[in-house]
Amino acid sequence: DQQVKQNSPSLSVQEGRISILNCDYTNSMFDYFLWYKKYPAEGPTFLISISSIKDKNEDGRFTVFLNKSAKHLSLHIVPSQPGDSAVYFCAARYYDMRFGAGTRLTVKP
Amino acid sequence: DAGVTQSPTHLIKTRGQQVTLRCSPKSGHDTVSWYQQALGQGPQFIFQYYEEEERQRGNFPDRFSGHQFPNYSSELNVNALLLGDSALYLCASSLGPGYGEQFFGPGTRLTVL
Repeated sequence: DQQVKQNSPSLSVQEGRISILNCDYTNSMFDYFLWYKKYPAEGPTFLISISSIKDKNEDGRFTVFLNKSAKHLSLHIVPSQPGDSAVYFCAARYYDMRFGAGTRLTVKP
Repeated sequence: DAGVTQSPTHLIKTRGQQVTLRCSPKSGHDTVSWYQQALGQGPQFIFQYYEEEERQRGNFPDRFSGHQFPNYSSELNVNALLLGDSALYLCASSLGPGYGEQFFGPGTRLTVL
């Protein structure tokens, strides 16, 4: 029962360009969505979140967009930097926390 | 300020054995959640402990059990290990029950042979 899906296992972008990571969900009861970043040999690190009552949240280079009607959220990173290269997990909260399988972002210099 | 710590880092067991994993939460946090991350997958919620009690549980069999101590540290126990239990086990701590901002430890890599 995979309620949170990240359909792109990997994404490669050029330094300075925009990175867009996508996430789809099926449970309309999710009330809070989060993005985590994970480097090798480290635990996931919280990046940015959005409540289901909003459609956009911005924090520096990172912006999360939520489209409730489409049950879709996306993370935009502008401009992308080589240090952003990591695995990004989308997560959604209701009774518990559900994670997507992750997207590996590679930012090339 | 130490973040979330987990021990051991790696562990190798054989089928049928039992294992105990340990987690110390970030200073000031009183809630601990455990997740299993299989290769190529996202973390999957096992259970959450608050006030020394299991508060919520994911879709995991009773072979998975836990404990929280008065100092908020926690243990995850897995009995009768199966090959499919091989995974990275992540501990996350937070302030208060629920799923506010969670801080994750580096995980324990369990290999079952």
